[in-house]
Amino acid sequence: AQSVAQPEDQVNVAEGNPLTVKCTYSVSGNPYLFWYVQYPNRGLQFLLKYITGDNLVKGSYGFEAEFNKSQTSFHLKKPSALVSDSALYFCAVRVPQGGSEKLVFGKGTKLTVNP
Amino acid sequence: DTGVSQDPRHKITKRGQNVTFRCDPISEHNRLYWYRQTLGQGPEFLTYFQNEAQLEKSRLLSDRFSAERPKGSFSTLEIQRTEQGDSAMYLCASSTNRVEQYFGPGTRLTVT
Repeated sequence: AQSVAQPEDQVNVAEGNPLTVKCTYSVSGNPYLFWYVQYPNRGLQFLLKYITGDNLVKGSYGFEAEFNKSQTSFHLKKPSALVSDSALYFCAVRVPQGGSEKLVFGKGTKLTVNP
Repeated sequence: DTGVSQDPRHKITKRGQNVTFRCDPISEHNRLYWYRQTLGQGPEFLTYFQNEAQLEKSRLLSDRFSAERPKGSFSTLEIQRTEQGDSAMYLCASSTNRVEQYFGPGTRLTVT
Protein backbone atom coordinates (compact mmCIF):
# COMPACT_ATOMS: atom_id res chain seq x y z
CA ALA A 1 0.00 0.00 0.00
CA GLN A 2 1.10 3.51 -0.73
CA SER A 3 1.68 5.91 2.11
CA VAL A 4 3.06 9.37 2.70
CA ALA A 5 4.51 10.65 5.94
CA GLN A 6 4.95 14.26 6.91
CA PRO A 7 6.83 13.90 10.20
CA GLU A 8 6.27 17.44 11.40
CA ASP A 9 2.77 18.63 12.22
CA GLN A 10 4.06 22.19 12.45
CA VAL A 11 7.07 24.14 11.22
CA ASN A 12 7.92 27.65 12.40
CA VAL A 13 10.47 29.86 10.65
CA ALA A 14 11.38 33.51 10.70
CA GLU A 15 10.69 35.62 7.64
CA GLY A 16 13.71 35.70 5.35
CA ASN A 17 15.08 32.40 6.61
CA PRO A 18 15.12 29.24 4.51
CA LEU A 19 12.34 26.76 5.07
CA THR A 20 12.05 23.01 4.69
CA VAL A 21 8.90 20.92 4.94
CA LYS A 22 9.66 17.21 5.05
CA CYS A 23 7.97 14.36 3.22
CA THR A 24 8.80 10.69 2.93
CA TYR A 25 6.88 8.07 1.01
CA SER A 26 6.44 4.34 0.78
CA VAL A 27 5.34 2.85 -2.53
CA SER A 28 5.95 -0.13 -4.74
CA GLY A 29 6.93 1.21 -8.11
CA ASN A 30 8.15 4.53 -9.41
CA PRO A 31 6.12 7.35 -7.91
CA TYR A 32 4.88 10.66 -9.10
CA LEU A 33 5.24 13.15 -6.25
CA PHE A 34 3.41 16.39 -5.59
CA TRP A 35 3.22 19.30 -3.20
CA TYR A 36 0.01 21.24 -2.60
CA VAL A 37 -0.73 24.23 -0.37
CA GLN A 38 -4.03 24.96 1.36
CA TYR A 39 -4.99 28.37 2.68
CA PRO A 40 -7.86 28.70 5.19
CA ASN A 41 -11.29 28.07 3.69
CA ARG A 42 -9.79 27.43 0.27
CA GLY A 43 -9.05 24.40 -1.83
CA LEU A 44 -5.66 22.91 -2.45
CA GLN A 45 -3.35 24.73 -4.81
CA PHE A 46 -0.79 22.81 -6.87
CA LEU A 47 2.81 23.89 -6.20
CA LEU A 48 5.03 21.42 -8.02
CA LYS A 49 5.49 17.85 -9.16
CA TYR A 50 8.19 15.28 -9.81
CA ILE A 51 7.65 12.71 -12.53
CA THR A 52 11.07 11.91 -13.89
CA GLY A 53 14.35 13.55 -14.76
CA ASP A 54 16.15 16.16 -12.69
CA ASN A 55 15.79 15.43 -8.99
CA LEU A 56 15.40 19.14 -8.17
CA VAL A 57 12.09 20.52 -9.35
CA LYS A 58 11.01 24.13 -9.22
CA GLY A 59 7.46 25.26 -8.73
CA SER A 60 5.24 28.21 -7.98
CA TYR A 61 6.03 31.09 -5.62
CA GLY A 62 9.74 30.26 -5.41
CA PHE A 63 9.26 26.79 -3.94
CA GLU A 64 11.37 23.83 -4.96
CA ALA A 65 11.61 20.20 -3.94
CA GLU A 66 14.27 17.55 -4.13
CA PHE A 67 13.48 13.95 -5.00
CA ASN A 68 15.77 11.49 -3.21
CA LYS A 69 15.09 7.93 -4.30
CA SER A 70 17.47 6.27 -1.85
CA GLN A 71 15.90 8.07 1.10
CA THR A 72 12.39 7.94 -0.39
CA SER A 73 12.00 11.62 0.38
CA PHE A 74 10.61 14.66 -1.39
CA HIS A 75 11.27 17.64 0.86
CA LEU A 76 9.83 21.06 0.02
CA LYS A 77 12.17 24.01 0.27
CA LYS A 78 12.30 27.75 -0.18
CA PRO A 79 15.44 29.88 0.21
CA SER A 80 13.72 32.84 1.86
CA ALA A 81 10.36 32.50 3.59
CA LEU A 82 7.60 35.10 3.44
CA VAL A 83 4.85 35.69 5.99
CA SER A 84 2.39 35.01 3.18
CA ASP A 85 3.79 31.46 2.88
CA SER A 86 2.05 30.60 6.15
CA ALA A 87 -0.42 27.84 5.26
CA LEU A 88 -1.00 24.09 5.37
CA TYR A 89 1.22 22.06 3.07
CA PHE A 90 0.43 18.59 1.76
CA CYS A 91 2.70 16.08 0.10
CA ALA A 92 1.06 13.52 -2.18
CA VAL A 93 2.11 10.46 -4.16
CA ARG A 94 0.68 8.63 -7.11
CA VAL A 95 1.87 5.31 -8.48
CA PRO A 96 0.92 5.27 -12.16
CA GLN A 97 1.81 1.64 -12.75
CA GLY A 98 -1.43 -0.28 -12.90
CA GLY A 99 -3.39 2.70 -14.16
CA SER A 100 -4.38 4.26 -10.83
CA GLU A 101 -4.76 8.01 -10.84
CA LYS A 102 -5.54 8.50 -7.19
CA LEU A 103 -3.37 10.75 -5.08
CA VAL A 104 -2.43 9.57 -1.60
CA PHE A 105 -1.82 12.51 0.72
CA GLY A 106 0.11 13.00 3.90
CA LYS A 107 -1.58 14.53 6.93
CA GLY A 108 -0.21 17.96 6.23
CA THR A 109 2.29 20.31 7.84
CA LYS A 110 1.27 23.70 9.15
CA LEU A 111 3.89 26.28 8.21
CA THR A 112 4.03 29.50 10.19
CA VAL A 113 6.38 32.25 9.05
CA ASN A 114 6.93 34.82 11.76
CA PRO A 115 7.63 38.47 10.84
CA ASP B 1 -9.37 28.96 -16.85
CA THR B 2 -12.21 29.75 -14.49
CA GLY B 3 -11.08 27.01 -12.11
CA VAL B 4 -12.96 24.10 -10.59
CA SER B 5 -16.23 25.17 -8.99
CA GLN B 6 -18.30 23.33 -6.42
CA ASP B 7 -21.82 23.90 -5.21
CA PRO B 8 -22.92 24.35 -2.51
CA ARG B 9 -19.97 25.59 -0.48
CA HIS B 10 -21.64 24.62 2.76
CA LYS B 11 -24.39 22.12 3.55
CA ILE B 12 -25.98 21.37 6.90
CA THR B 13 -28.30 18.40 7.00
CA LYS B 14 -29.95 16.16 9.51
CA ARG B 15 -28.89 12.58 9.94
CA GLY B 16 -30.77 10.31 7.58
CA GLN B 17 -31.30 12.90 4.87
CA ASN B 18 -29.89 12.64 1.36
CA VAL B 19 -27.52 15.29 -0.01
CA THR B 20 -26.11 15.97 -3.46
CA PHE B 21 -23.06 18.01 -4.37
CA ARG B 22 -22.08 19.33 -7.77
CA CYS B 23 -18.66 19.85 -9.30
CA ASP B 24 -17.87 21.74 -12.50
CA PRO B 25 -14.35 20.99 -13.69
CA ILE B 26 -12.03 23.24 -15.63
CA SER B 27 -13.33 23.27 -19.19
CA GLU B 28 -11.83 20.61 -21.42
CA HIS B 29 -10.45 18.65 -18.47
CA ASN B 30 -11.47 15.07 -19.18
CA ARG B 31 -10.56 13.70 -15.76
CA LEU B 32 -12.54 14.41 -12.60
CA TYR B 33 -11.85 13.27 -9.05
CA TRP B 34 -13.66 13.32 -5.71
CA TYR B 35 -11.85 13.37 -2.38
CA ARG B 36 -12.96 13.70 1.24
CA GLN B 37 -11.02 15.63 3.85
CA THR B 38 -11.64 15.52 7.59
CA LEU B 39 -10.14 17.88 10.13
CA GLY B 40 -6.43 17.35 10.65
CA GLN B 41 -6.10 14.90 7.78
CA GLY B 42 -5.08 15.03 4.18
CA PRO B 43 -7.64 14.43 1.45
CA GLU B 44 -8.68 10.81 0.86
CA PHE B 45 -9.53 9.59 -2.62
CA LEU B 46 -13.12 8.56 -3.29
CA THR B 47 -13.56 8.11 -7.02
CA TYR B 48 -12.34 9.10 -10.48
CA PHE B 49 -13.93 9.66 -13.88
CA GLN B 50 -12.38 9.83 -17.29
CA ASN B 51 -14.98 11.53 -19.43
CA GLU B 52 -18.25 9.87 -18.35
CA ALA B 53 -16.70 6.55 -17.29
CA GLN B 54 -16.15 5.93 -13.59
CA LEU B 55 -12.80 4.12 -13.67
CA GLU B 56 -11.72 3.92 -10.05
CA LYS B 57 -13.55 3.75 -6.72
CA SER B 58 -12.19 3.66 -3.19
CA ARG B 59 -13.41 1.26 -0.55
CA LEU B 60 -14.35 4.44 1.32
CA LEU B 61 -17.17 4.86 -1.18
CA SER B 62 -19.82 2.84 0.60
CA ASP B 63 -23.15 1.82 -0.90
CA ARG B 64 -24.63 5.07 0.40
CA PHE B 65 -22.36 7.09 -1.88
CA SER B 66 -22.86 7.42 -5.60
CA ALA B 67 -21.16 9.63 -8.14
CA GLU B 68 -22.06 10.39 -11.72
CA ARG B 69 -20.68 12.33 -14.63
CA PRO B 70 -23.38 11.77 -17.22
CA LYS B 71 -22.09 13.88 -20.11
CA GLY B 72 -18.44 13.95 -19.25
CA SER B 73 -18.67 17.51 -17.97
CA PHE B 74 -20.00 18.26 -14.49
CA SER B 75 -20.26 15.61 -11.81
CA THR B 76 -22.54 14.97 -8.86
CA LEU B 77 -21.81 13.16 -5.62
CA GLU B 78 -24.83 11.92 -3.68
CA ILE B 79 -24.82 10.64 -0.12
CA GLN B 80 -27.93 8.77 0.95
CA ARG B 81 -29.06 8.38 4.57
CA THR B 82 -26.33 10.64 5.88
CA GLU B 83 -24.54 9.77 9.10
CA GLN B 84 -22.60 12.00 11.46
CA GLY B 85 -19.40 10.35 10.28
CA ASP B 86 -20.04 11.76 6.81
CA SER B 87 -19.30 15.26 8.10
CA ALA B 88 -16.26 16.41 6.14
CA MET B 89 -15.03 18.63 3.35
CA TYR B 90 -15.75 17.09 -0.04
CA LEU B 91 -13.21 18.16 -2.64
CA CYS B 92 -13.43 17.88 -6.39
CA ALA B 93 -10.45 18.05 -8.71
CA SER B 94 -9.93 17.92 -12.45
CA SER B 95 -7.05 17.18 -14.75
CA THR B 96 -5.89 16.63 -18.28
CA ASN B 97 -3.12 14.29 -19.27
CA ARG B 98 -0.64 16.60 -17.56
CA VAL B 99 -0.89 14.62 -14.33
CA GLU B 100 -1.39 17.32 -11.74
CA GLN B 101 -4.89 17.71 -10.36
CA TYR B 102 -6.53 21.09 -9.81
CA PHE B 103 -8.84 21.33 -6.83
CA GLY B 104 -12.01 23.26 -6.24
CA PRO B 105 -12.86 25.11 -2.99
CA GLY B 106 -14.77 22.16 -1.57
CA THR B 107 -18.21 21.57 -0.08
CA ARG B 108 -18.27 21.46 3.71
CA LEU B 109 -20.91 18.99 4.93
CA THR B 110 -22.17 19.04 8.50
CA VAL B 111 -24.52 16.27 9.58
CA THR B 112 -26.43 17.04 12.78
